[in-house]
Amino acid sequence: GAVVSQHPSWVICKSGTSVKIECRSLDFQATTMFWYRQFPKQSLMLMATSNEGSKATYEQGVEKDKFLINHASLTLSTLTVTSAHPEDSSFYICSARVGGQGQNIQYFGAGTRLSVL
Amino acid sequence: GENVEQHPSTLSVQEGDSAVIKCTYSDSASNYFPWYKQELGKGPQLIIDIRSNVGEKKDQRIAVTLNKTAKHFSLHITETQPEDSAVYFCAASIGDSGTYKYIFGTGTRLKVLA
Repeated sequence: GAVVSQHPSWVICKSGTSVKIECRSLDFQATTMFWYRQFPKQSLMLMATSNEGSKATYEQGVEKDKFLINHASLTLSTLTVTSAHPEDSSFYICSARVGGQGQNIQYFGAGTRLSVL
Repeated sequence: GENVEQHPSTLSVQEGDSAVIKCTYSDSASNYFPWYKQELGKGPQLIIDIRSNVGEKKDQRIAVTLNKTAKHFSLHITETQPEDSAVYFCAASIGDSGTYKYIFGTGTRLKVLA
């Protein structure tokens, strides 16, 4: 299957600092990438949809100034958590959509565990 | 909006027995239904999927069935093994002219007892 690489896998940062998470599709071009947040023992919550070369579409309740998404190429999307606070601590997962019109299979990265002290 | 209900939330089976997880979706426009397996601390892994023009799909010990009229779809795992223990998520998606977003179920924690 298609491979999605997410980096870093784990990051600890101080409150008030910013953290960048990278999501790369290694063996395919991803027109669309998605960013999710997952709390312990809960389901995946979609944060935003990222299309290459355009602004991300954020889900209701997600602060776009807090969670900056850039999708500059067909193989790379980044999520920056700005001025992180302890409540931003969570497991963040990206996915990439394979294929063109009508194709909606998503392959997921391994996730990034963010701990804000 | 679109909603996906998933049952049961936890499931324990003896090794070798079958496991069934059920999902119900609300948006009749949904046309793609993947199932993911997530192990602790890892990202979800696609294990099987089904499109709305098909009623059943099988891949070795795993099968998925879809009832469009009732808006139900189910995951069936036969001859379960300890390594099947994980959290399983169903999802519903609208492709074609849609946004391709997934709406995930709440997850089922499967435990296979050796």
